[in-house]
Order: sequence, then structure tokens, then C-alpha cells
Amino acid sequence: EAQVTQNPRYLITVTGKKLTVTCSQNMNHEYMSWYRQDPGLGLRQIYYSMNVEVTDKGDVPEGYKVSRKEKRNFPLILESPSPNQTSLYFCASSSGTGVMPQHFGDGTRLSIL
Amino acid sequence: SQQGEEDPQALSIQEGENATMNCSYKTSINNLQWYRQNSGRGLVHLILIRSNEREKHSGRLRVTLDTSKKSSSLLITASRAADTASYFCATDDAGTASKLTFGTGTRLQVTL
Repeated sequence: EAQVTQNPRYLITVTGKKLTVTCSQNMNHEYMSWYRQDPGLGLRQIYYSMNVEVTDKGDVPEGYKVSRKEKRNFPLILESPSPNQTSLYFCASSSGTGVMPQHFGDGTRLSIL
Repeated sequence: SQQGEEDPQALSIQEGENATMNCSYKTSINNLQWYRQNSGRGLVHLILIRSNEREKHSGRLRVTLDTSKKSSSLLITASRAADTASYFCATDDAGTASKLTFGTGTRLQVTL
């Protein structure tokens, strides 16, 4: 089954404790992206990757890091999480960007205390 | 920056009625897509309309695009309770062509 898998689905942690949210897709997609969703603000892009070893900033990259060492994986790293990073996070992939539909994971709900 | 703005923010209708939601955007685009999100789940792609198209149909969905007004509308005909969800438009900026920018969404409630 074609899917984008995120882990964990839920996480409560404390300020400053490094965390990684994993994202894996099994569709051989070149393009992967991370979004955060906050009430009233819709989805905002954090980082995206056009292919292996190619990443770029989205609209709200501050406080986040990503890497793309393999085509299927695109982890999101919060080196020193803060409460304003409490949000619902989505990973997405596609074989292109505007022309091709994005396939989304089911989301990761992060709470930073 | 937020590209798309959906209107209305929330919509409540009865089953069998049509639901129309609108999206406005700010810059020239290559394509516009509509997505659906059930509560607590990821977004699901519904339909894509290219900038040189004016109208597109898919089942009970009808999408229009007016590039002169920088706006799009999504019409769901004969709505069902299962259509209850949030709906988002997303645009592919013609200047960058490397990312999608999502709107703030319309929350649709369909009651029996």
C-alpha cells in the first residue's frame, strides 16, 4: 500500500530536549516536505526536499532541521524544542510539486511543555 | 506567507444541499489544488486545476478557476454527512514552482 508514515503520532516532551520526527514514504517520490498546522493559520511549510541531499527552507524554518540522506526518508529534527513549536506536523511526498498531488502522512501531534 | 484564503471559514448545511467554498490567492500560479482533511487525519488530494483551465469536474466535485480575479471555487453537489471535513486550497507559485502554499481552510459540517 502506498503510504507516508510518520512516527511518533503523539509526543509530549519538555523544552530543550532534542527530538526527531521520522517520515518515510514507499512510493519512490523525489519530493518531500514538512508542514505544521496551527488553528487559524492553516498549513505552513517548514522545509522541503526536491531530491536526495537537496533541501530548502519553507516559510517557517526557524528552530527546525531536516536531512535527506535517502530518497524514502525525511526526518524533522527539533534541536532545542520550545513551547511555540507545539503543533500538528505533517509530512508529505510527491513525484513533483505543483503538478502532482501531495500524499500526506497522518500527522504527529507535538506538545512542548 | 499565506497564499490562499478560503471563504467562508465555516459552513453548515443539510445533507443533499450543495456546498460552495471559495479560495483567493495573491500571486500568479501554475496550478491550484483542493484537499480535504478529516478531523485529526492527513490531507487527501481531491482535484487539480491548471492555470489554463477554467473548470474541472470529478464526481460530485466541480472546481472553477478565474485567474483574472485570482480565485477558485469548489462546489460539492448533493452533500453527504461523510463530506464533513475541512477543505483547503493549495497553490503552486509560478515564480518558484517548488512548493505548495496552503490556505487556511473551510470547515464544512453536513448534518442529517
